[in-house]
Amino acid sequence: GQSLEQPSEVTAVEGAIVQINCTYQTSGFYGLSWYQQHDGGAPTFLSYNGLDGLEETGRFSSFLSRSDSYGYLLLQELQMKDSASYFCAVRDLDAGNMLTFGGGTRLMVKP
Amino acid sequence: DSGVTQTPKHLITATGQRVTLRCSPRSGDLSVYWYQQSLDQGLQFLIQYYNGEERAKGNILERFSAQQFPDLHSELNLSSLELGDSALYFCASSPNPLIRAGTQYFGPGTRLTVL
Repeated sequence: GQSLEQPSEVTAVEGAIVQINCTYQTSGFYGLSWYQQHDGGAPTFLSYNGLDGLEETGRFSSFLSRSDSYGYLLLQELQMKDSASYFCAVRDLDAGNMLTFGGGTRLMVKP
Repeated sequence: DSGVTQTPKHLITATGQRVTLRCSPRSGDLSVYWYQQSLDQGLQFLIQYYNGEERAKGNILERFSAQQFPDLHSELNLSSLELGDSALYFCASSPNPLIRAGTQYFGPGTRLTVL
């Protein structure tokens, strides 16, 4: 089966940098994705890493190391609106191409 | 706005009843996924359809079923409802799942309350 671990909560101050880690176990790994979800809202896609390395999209970056089964989401210049839950998700070819989501990390940004 | 639509937005019903949730994917997307999210829980994958055919199944209860129609919209049917079925149900769509495999576009969700 597949399993993903990420911290349940992270707190940071406005303007700071925060890193949310994700470790995974799958048999047929095919990429790591990150999604953001505000309370009561729908998950929205942030980034995808199919290969090792860093992907940058504005204030958000995502990193993947397939050899370590590890990735992280880096949020820079934190804003109050970044307070949300962040989910990592893996696609496992051995699991019928479906996405398996981690339990989510609740990020609280304080003034 | 992701381009994925879901109806209804809210649904309140009683135990033992049956409901149907509807989803229209983004224009051109062939894959539809259904997820359940209970209070303070992560997203639990239920089922995936690709171009009308079931592609993958998660921990979907036997009381639940889904289908994707020729116009690509999808319906999730929940029957013999129990209190524990109260949750947010999300539909997501994606283009060819072999491309940008991790990208799914989520609808606004249907909040189901079973009393």
